[in-house]
Amino acid sequence: EDKVVQSPLSLVVHEGDTVTLNCSYEVTNFRSLLWYKQEKKAPTFLFMLTSSGIEKKSGRLSSILDKKELSSILNITATQTGDSAIYLCAGKGGSNYKLTFGKGTLLTVNP
Amino acid sequence: DAGVIQSPRHEVTEMGQEVTLRCKPISGHDYLFWYRQTMMRGLELLIYFNNNVPIDDSGMPEDRFSAKMPNASFSTLKIQPSEPRDSAVYFCASRPTGAYGYTFGSGTRLTVV
Repeated sequence: EDKVVQSPLSLVVHEGDTVTLNCSYEVTNFRSLLWYKQEKKAPTFLFMLTSSGIEKKSGRLSSILDKKELSSILNITATQTGDSAIYLCAGKGGSNYKLTFGKGTLLTVNP
Repeated sequence: DAGVIQSPRHEVTEMGQEVTLRCKPISGHDYLFWYRQTMMRGLELLIYFNNNVPIDDSGMPEDRFSAKMPNASFSTLKIQPSEPRDSAVYFCASRPTGAYGYTFGSGTRLTVV
């Protein structure tokens, strides 16, 4: 059974801090890893990673995949209160279209 | 593009009652997914459809749960009879073939008392 584990489960920081969220996966026929941000409602897509060592970047957020270690990290620099959310990591295998999600990391950014 | 539309947004029901959750995927998306989210278990895939056909229902917790997709623009998830442990947020998501991410609906928050 596919499995995705995220750490930490929750994190509280102050505005301006840099945070690193971790994701490890065990996914049969692994194809890609996705990061989502979930605020009050539905998860919204952030990144998809398929190749090891290539950083994806969007503003203050960046992510990288390490296929050797079966892991990924999501970095957020100069955090803002608007970054407060649950960050979800999901793995996709090649044999079907389903995503296996981790439980998420609850990030709270205090002013 | 109205996105994935779910109804109702909130549902409170008594144990033993039948509950029906509804989803309208984005037009042209041929994959539809039902997920359940709880604090304890996170987001769990219940079932997914491709071209209205159920492909994998291994995540459906038990026979009390059933899902249908009678056409490309509508799906239902039914729980009969409902139990307090079914309380969760139920998300529907859709995607077209070849795309990488899902688009999620806003979810239905179900509370069974």
